Amino acid sequence: AQKITQTQPGMFVQEKEAVTLDCTYDTSDQSYGLFWYKQPSSGEMIFLIYQGSYDEQNATEGRYSLNFQKARKSANLVISASQLGDSAMYFCAMRENRRAAGNKLTFGGGTRVLVKP
Amino acid sequence: DSGVTQTPKHLITATGQRVTLRCSPRSGDLSVYWYQQSLDQGLQFLIQYYNGEERAKGNILERFSAQQFPDLHSELNLSSLELGDSALYFCASGAEGAPYNEQFFGPGTRLTVL
Repeated sequence: AQKITQTQPGMFVQEKEAVTLDCTYDTSDQSYGLFWYKQPSSGEMIFLIYQGSYDEQNATEGRYSLNFQKARKSANLVISASQLGDSAMYFCAMRENRRAAGNKLTFGGGTRVLVKP
Repeated sequence: DSGVTQTPKHLITATGQRVTLRCSPRSGDLSVYWYQQSLDQGLQFLIQYYNGEERAKGNILERFSAQQFPDLHSELNLSSLELGDSALYFCASGAEGAPYNEQFFGPGTRLTVL
């Protein structure tokens, strides 16, 4: 069974600094997708970034980048130049690319980030 | 705004009761997913429908059921409610074949069982 581990329950980061959120995963599948979602205090889930297991380049989306180390089964999210609006819960998730699994996401426990002015 | 709508936003009910949560996917999305977010279990996948048919099932209790209608909206029915069913219930939709197959989440329905 898949498992996603986010070892940092909470983090403080100074505004304008970078922060790295850890995510490790466990799967026996060769083909899978990794996602990061942001959940602000308002509760909605916002898709941030995606990395496919066969992607050779690390994914980037604006101030978000993903440090993907396949051999170590880690997919850490880096947020550069933190802003006050980045304060939120961040979830790492994995999708198995097997038809029988549908397209379901398995989520980690989340990391709460608080950006300090 | 993700384009996924969920109603109601909040629901307060008593143990033993039955409730229905409603979800309308983004225009064009055929897949609907239901997730439960609770303090003790975190975010868990419940069930997926694709174009009206059940595609995948997660840790969904037998007291819970779902369906997807011809207009692609979906309903999650929760019956014989218990205190532990209090949670935020998300619906998400996705377009299979999209670049990332990412799921777009609705704002959620917060269920409180008293």
